[in-house]
This record gives sequence, C-alpha cells and structure tokens, in this order.
Amino acid sequence: KQEVTQIPAALSVPEGENLVLNCSFTDSAIYNLQWFRQDPGKGLTSLLLIQSSQREQTSGRLNASLDKSSGRSTLYIAASQPGDSATYLCAVREKGGSEKLVFGKGTKLTVNP
Amino acid sequence: DGGITQSPKYLFRKEGQNVTLSCEQNLNHDAMYWYRQDPGQGLRLIYYSQIVNDFQKGDIAEGYSVSREKKESFPLTVTSAQKNPTAFYLCASRNQELLSNQPQHFGDGTRLSIL
Repeated sequence: KQEVTQIPAALSVPEGENLVLNCSFTDSAIYNLQWFRQDPGKGLTSLLLIQSSQREQTSGRLNASLDKSSGRSTLYIAASQPGDSATYLCAVREKGGSEKLVFGKGTKLTVNP
Repeated sequence: DGGITQSPKYLFRKEGQNVTLSCEQNLNHDAMYWYRQDPGQGLRLIYYSQIVNDFQKGDIAEGYSVSREKKESFPLTVTSAQKNPTAFYLCASRNQELLSNQPQHFGDGTRLSIL
C-alpha cells in the first residue's frame, strides 16, 4: 500500500529565507507526483507536477525535484515571502489502473515578516 | 473563467438526515473525484468517475453515494449511514483526453458539520 510522508509537519521561517519541503513515498510505481498549496478553508491549488520520467520542474521561485528510485521529492522555495504561508501537500498518482492520488498530510509553512 | 464550483460552502446535517453536496465543472473534464479531508490528515478518496453514468468506489465510500448523469456534474450524498460526516469535502476534476499526466484541479470545498 502506497504511503506518502511529509516532513516537517510545520515550519516557521523569516522572510527572505530559502527553504526545502520534503516528501517521501513507499512505492516507486507512480505516474507522477504533484505539489499543491492549500490556504486555510480553501481548496487545493496545483503548483507543480513532475512526471515519473522527469527529475525536476520549475515555476517562478518554486523548484520541485523527484528521485523515483529512492521515493523522494523536494519542493524548494526561494526567497520566501509572507504570502507563501500555507499548507503544502504532495501527492503521487499510482500506476496500475487506479486513478487515485495518494496524499501526504502536508507541511504547514509560516513565513514571518 | 473555467473552474470547479462547489456548493454550499458550509452545510449542517441533522442526525438521520441525508445531505447532498454539489460539484459542477466547466473545464470539459471527463474524470471527477470526491475527497474527504480531516484536520491534520491527508485527503482520502471517496468516489471517482471517469465517464458519464459510471463511477467507482474509493477508499472510504461507505456511507456515501454519488451520481454522474452529466459530464459537468458529480454530486455527493452523505447518507445517515455515515456516522462521522464532519469534515471538509473537496471535489476535483482531470482531463483524461491527453496523456495520463494531467493534474487534478480542485474546487474550494464544502465544510460539513453535524447539528
């Protein structure tokens, strides 16, 4: 059974700091891995999707990497801003016919001005 | 603008009552999903549908029912058999026409509480 773990559960940093969020998964048979952002009381906003054949994806100040063989992904946020404060979720899409995304519990990020 | 609309934003259920959560999308996506989110937990899949008039159970389907009569709509009914319905419910959709690596898009959620 696929399990997705995100460490740390919460992170507080000063504005301007570069930071890394971690995601690990137990089964490397995945189609892709997706990083989401969730603001309090809101739905999920897709940030980056990395296909299983890719190593990384970049969007603005965000960079996500994928090491499928070791079951790890990182989300790097450069020059963090207070507006980056949110919960960040990673999810993997399993192979084998299921359409299911398996989610981690998220990392709650607070960027202090 | 294209997107996913969930309604209502807040919903209260009395004991023994069935309630229905609405999810509508105008993205022309074939696949639609319902997830449940509990505090401090990851999202868990309730039901999904890949095509009109067809749907599949997810990991926690007991106490829930769905229908998919139209491509745009995928309502979720929380029945009285669901003994712990208090949660945040999220609807998502995905384009399946292209390569399989298309992201899921999410609505803003419905928060369901017991009266």
